[in-house]
Amino acid sequence: GAVVSQHPSRVICKSGTSVKIECRSLDFQATTMFWYRQFPKQSLMLMATSNEGSKATYEQGVEKDKFLINHASLTLSTLTVTSAHPEDSSFYICSASRTSGRFTGELFFGEGSRLTVL
Amino acid sequence: QKEVEQNSGPLSVPEGAIASLNCTYSDRVSQSFFWYRQYSGKSPELIMSIYSNGDKEDGRFTAQLNKASQYVSLLIRDSQPSDSATYLCAVMSSNDYKLSFGAGTTVTVRA
Repeated sequence: GAVVSQHPSRVICKSGTSVKIECRSLDFQATTMFWYRQFPKQSLMLMATSNEGSKATYEQGVEKDKFLINHASLTLSTLTVTSAHPEDSSFYICSASRTSGRFTGELFFGEGSRLTVL
Repeated sequence: QKEVEQNSGPLSVPEGAIASLNCTYSDRVSQSFFWYRQYSGKSPELIMSIYSNGDKEDGRFTAQLNKASQYVSLLIRDSQPSDSATYLCAVMSSNDYKLSFGAGTTVTVRA
């Protein structure tokens, strides 16, 4: 299957600092990538849709100035959590679909990044 | 986001038994349905997709879809301890092509 790589897998930072998470599609091109957040024992919540070469589309309630998304190439999207606070501690997961053809809903997920803000 | 409901479990089954997971959804225009498996601390992996009413079998997994009842299920036959995980139901609407996930059902297979 397709491989999506996410880095770092685990990060601990101090409150007020910024953290960047990278998401790469390794063996296919992804026009669109999705960023999810998952709190313990809860479902995946879509944060934003990242589109190569254009601005990301954010879900209602997600602050675009706090969660900066850049999708500069067909294989890389980054999520930067700016001025992180303890309530931003969560499991962040990116996913991608293949570029070609109609989007079928089959997503390939990265390994996830567990962020802990002290 | 659209509502996708699952029993949170935990669902405990003995090894070799059938595990039955249920999912209901609220958006009638939903067109695509998926089951993802998520091990603790890991990201989800796709195990089944189903797009039309009826049953779809893949190895020990069978997905069942009933759009009239807005219901999708997953059966795991001959359950193995390695099947112990949280199973996420996901639904995509043809309106916005976004996936909505249920909270997941935790399955424990007892050896």
